Amino acid sequence: DTAVSQTPKYLVTQMGNDKSIKCEQNLGHDTMYWYKQDSKKFLKIMFSYNNKELIINETVPNRFSPKSPDKAHLNLHINSLELGDSAVYFCASSHSGLPLHFGNGTRLTVT
Amino acid sequence: AQSVTQPDIHITVSEGASLELRCNYSYGATPYLFWYVQSPGQGLQLLLKYFSGDTLVQGIKGFEAEFKRSQSSFNLRKPSVHWSDAAEYFCAAPRDKIIFGKGTRLHILP
Repeated sequence: DTAVSQTPKYLVTQMGNDKSIKCEQNLGHDTMYWYKQDSKKFLKIMFSYNNKELIINETVPNRFSPKSPDKAHLNLHINSLELGDSAVYFCASSHSGLPLHFGNGTRLTVT
Repeated sequence: AQSVTQPDIHITVSEGASLELRCNYSYGATPYLFWYVQSPGQGLQLLLKYFSGDTLVQGIKGFEAEFKRSQSSFNLRKPSVHWSDAAEYFCAAPRDKIIFGKGTRLHILP
């Protein structure tokens, strides 16, 4: 009965490939997020969806495309992966923006 | 610009000692403030939150934090740390988006 679940937990791929990370929440929250955590543990918001509508779209390469088929799911698709995309990606959800509940992260390694 | 600052990148304390992790914010109005903890290989877990009212907030795992408007601070405290408290701690504040501090890594000496 995990609240926010992400798959896969680990993702190793080569440069130039396209990959997706899936996220699901069973908390009934209306807002979902993608955060990127770099090697120095810095957390940076990438996207936020509220009721399937994109509300935050930070300065992220357009190779990154979020998709929210419904309120409980927010997937992240990444095209043409680059070395610099290696990081831990966290999905999170919240009700009316506060506070965030996080998934356990997806460690992406691009070789 | 709105920001959250954690001045200490690393903190080392001995098991059983008291702990204080610093967080400073820069906002015009009274912010909402959170502390999260990230254990190795895990996601972030909410320790406590401040919305309004009593400036001393109790959280999980024996942690507390005090909001001090005069100092623009929301420091996290614990009277006696345990080895399992070793983790990364993040202060955060929401506005149009959640802003995180850069984190403080807590090391515990046996």
